[in-house]
Amino acid sequence: DIQMTQSPSSLSASVGDRVTITCRASQGIRNDLGWYQQKPGKAPKRLIYAASSLQSGVPSRFSGSGSGTEFTLTISSLQPEDLATYYCLQHNTYPHTFGQGTKLEIK
Amino acid sequence: EVQLVQSGAEVKKPGESLKISCKGSGFTFATYWIAWVRQVPGKGLEWMGIIYPGDSDTKYSPSFQGQVTISADKSISSAYLQWSSLKASDTAMYYCATALMDVWGQGTTVTVSS
Repeated sequence: DIQMTQSPSSLSASVGDRVTITCRASQGIRNDLGWYQQKPGKAPKRLIYAASSLQSGVPSRFSGSGSGTEFTLTISSLQPEDLATYYCLQHNTYPHTFGQGTKLEIK
Repeated sequence: EVQLVQSGAEVKKPGESLKISCKGSGFTFATYWIAWVRQVPGKGLEWMGIIYPGDSDTKYSPSFQGQVTISADKSISSAYLQWSSLKASDTAMYYCATALMDVWGQGTTVTVSS
């Protein structure tokens, strides 16, 4: 299986901060990666697909980058409604695998 | 509107069987891979497996192979997740989603308790 190592596991940041979350794949996955946001009590929602493409309707403060084994999700200016847990998912090889998640708290 | 609607919450006893469902609408269900995802309370997302309703081709995560059965009925645009003998450790929220997870069901809570 491809292991997705996501970091940090949690972080606390202030409104307006720039936030970066990283996922590293145990082997190359091209750009077959998505980023997901899960708010408490809700189903996850896709933010980014193909590593860097913004899902329709998602605010432009979210962006993704990377290819191969290293990927980042960046929130350029943190907003209160961004309180959530964020996950990456590789869909290059079966079984598809999620990162462990990053719980984002607002200071 | 493209959507996946899951069956309602279940409370079962250990050893009982269960089949939960995921019904698609607004798209050609038979041509979309549908995945199942587990989320144990307070924990992360786990990819369980995936099915192509058009021909019922199915792939499982090794962690779930033999523990659950994924099936589909393209004639009624539905996918299923099934257990033959539930354990307390199966207590979780279960989501269905399209393969690239751009569309998710609302989730089905399964509680297994004696």
